[in-house]
Amino acid sequence: NAGVTQTPKFQVLKTGQSMTLQCAQDMNHNSMYWYRQDPGMGLRLIYYSASEGTTDKGEVPNGYNVSRLNKREFSLRLESAAPSQTSVYFCASNSDIVLYTEAFFGQGTRLTVV
Amino acid sequence: GEDVEQSLFLSVREGDSSVINCTYTDSSSTYLYWYKQEPGAGLQLLTYIFSNMDMKQDQRLTVLLNKKDKHLSLRIADTQTGDSAIYFCAESITTDSWGKLQFGAGTQVVVTP
Repeated sequence: NAGVTQTPKFQVLKTGQSMTLQCAQDMNHNSMYWYRQDPGMGLRLIYYSASEGTTDKGEVPNGYNVSRLNKREFSLRLESAAPSQTSVYFCASNSDIVLYTEAFFGQGTRLTVV
Repeated sequence: GEDVEQSLFLSVREGDSSVINCTYTDSSSTYLYWYKQEPGAGLQLLTYIFSNMDMKQDQRLTVLLNKKDKHLSLRIADTQTGDSAIYFCAESITTDSWGKLQFGAGTQVVVTP
């Protein structure tokens, strides 16, 4: 059972380039999330999706777009990468249909923008 | 958003107990969590506590919650070298989406032989 799978694991971009971070979960979860992790700041929520076809902004959405392609997949796009977007990106998922379930995290994508 | 604060570093000898502390500011938080992150890995949920509880014990882990002081702690008994990691305290932001979490900056725990 794979859980939450993120691709790629590592990426180096030049300033101004675009890329899409992919995330897929195989747990039939309805909710999915994108976080970024920066040194000394913990994880901050970028965007989330409570169900297929819906997305909402989190704490730090500027410079990002997301797509909930289907129930399994939730992608994060950087249209014009900036050095400030150098970070480790984590995707997470959980089921909000029941009273409570934990959020499962992927292994992360380490992105460097030069 | 609300702030979650943790000390950044803790060094502990193997076999001793570790105590990691956290303070939070959102008194409406429903759940509070401790996550563990090993080098190069994602986050693993260690334990969580519901806000109407004072204490929760799970094998070597003990979570204490003081709602009056908005203080959360994680005690690891008989600390092992495999416990070396970053530990994140987190609180739930809303009750309509349990994955929306506010994290602290993380406490780096180093276990020495």
